[in-house]
Amino acid sequence: DTGVSQDPRHKITKRGQNVTFRCDPISEHNRLYWYRQTLGQGPEFLTYFQNEAQLEKSRLLSDRFSAERPKGSFSTLEIQRTEQGDSAMYLCASSLRGRGGKLFFGSGTQLSVL
Amino acid sequence: DQQVKQNSPSLSVQEGRISILNCDYTNSMFDYFLWYKKYPAEGPTFLISISSIKDKNEDGRFTVFLNKSAKHLSLHIVPSQPGDSAVYFCAAFSFTGTASKLTFGTGTRLQVTL
Repeated sequence: DTGVSQDPRHKITKRGQNVTFRCDPISEHNRLYWYRQTLGQGPEFLTYFQNEAQLEKSRLLSDRFSAERPKGSFSTLEIQRTEQGDSAMYLCASSLRGRGGKLFFGSGTQLSVL
Repeated sequence: DQQVKQNSPSLSVQEGRISILNCDYTNSMFDYFLWYKKYPAEGPTFLISISSIKDKNEDGRFTVFLNKSAKHLSLHIVPSQPGDSAVYFCAAFSFTGTASKLTFGTGTRLQVTL
């Protein structure tokens, strides 16, 4: 069990640029989640996949955000035309279906938009 | 709409004493309640959970109590140790259809002093 891996750990970008983050879940986990966390807040749900199907998207996820999970393995989260308000920690988590919310989180990608 | 609330942003406890962290929720349809622990620069890690049909679950030094009528749960840590110093998030999970996601509170920072 190598855990959930996220890349990069840190990303600094200028406003208006596009960024892409990658998440590699635990290999046998069929569910993959993206969360966003800002200072002083708990993680906020963005979207989740069961295998390759994206089953739910939060209304927080504007049309500048897109996530994919091709072939039900790794996932990418892309933010287009970044804004300063996008600065946050982006967390990926994976789980097996039916485990009652027990998610395994990666260490996150810290995004800073200048 | 904050469905899971942690009203105490911080708590300081002496080593060896009991730490009690509290959480309130508004949605009676949640199926599981969980506590996650987070150290700086790491993702949250699962600590303990409780099904909505139970009122207590214990795991070593950690016990979670659920009061459904009051929509309140608490995490007890006995005895508290310096390594317990972290941010603790209360979270709730629902199996409802495709909306299977964790909803987090805002966290309580626990400081265990010597």
